[in-house]
Amino acid sequence: GQNIDQPTEMTATEGAIVQINCTYQTSGFNGLFWYQQHAGEAPTFLSYNVLDGLEEKGRFSSFLSRSKGYSYLLLKELQMKDSASYLCAHRDAGKSTFGDGTTLTVKP
Amino acid sequence: DAGITQSPRHKVTETGTPVTLRCHQTENHRYMYWYRQDPGHGLRLIHYSYGVKDTDKGEVSDGYSVSRSKTEDFLLTLESATSSQTSVYFCAISEGAGTGTNEQYFGPGTRLTVT
Repeated sequence: GQNIDQPTEMTATEGAIVQINCTYQTSGFNGLFWYQQHAGEAPTFLSYNVLDGLEEKGRFSSFLSRSKGYSYLLLKELQMKDSASYLCAHRDAGKSTFGDGTTLTVKP
Repeated sequence: DAGITQSPRHKVTETGTPVTLRCHQTENHRYMYWYRQDPGHGLRLIHYSYGVKDTDKGEVSDGYSVSRSKTEDFLLTLESATSSQTSVYFCAISEGAGTGTNEQYFGPGTRLTVT
């Protein structure tokens, strides 16, 4: 996505914490999403933020700052199965724009 | 799992031939989307629909058309396939697109190769 930036790749160790950042620019906004996509599979929904602050859901948390156009996904207690691509997306009315994704590799 | 299927799952076709991909849902969701995903890239929106016979273009709509004659079906047509349309195509559905989460549920994808 040309107006969403996220790192291309990240590597972390099993059991550790990793933060994946996402910055975006948009004129209209009604939500910031994170999706997980394992290789060869369809994306699946992880989290949604529409107001500033932190949303926690088990090992995964997502943060949003609308004034800064910034979000992050925090993954705790990393497991090998967390190796996947993580897609940031913002929604403006009916359309969602996705970033190119961050490929996370979890090593033993 | 949301009831969303795509057909065919794999297709190889020749340059210049028409191709139609089908997305079928059993969730009665209002919104339906077609995306393409190329290696190393995220999802790029081709077209979407916000109701029967109501569609709009996405960021990469050139060379594609869509139709939605029933709530459950959303068709994507490549009028004359080109090699640049070789990609994985994902259909997605959502209940709404305004306030509230209204996350998208994705189909399994169709891998299209244009030779």
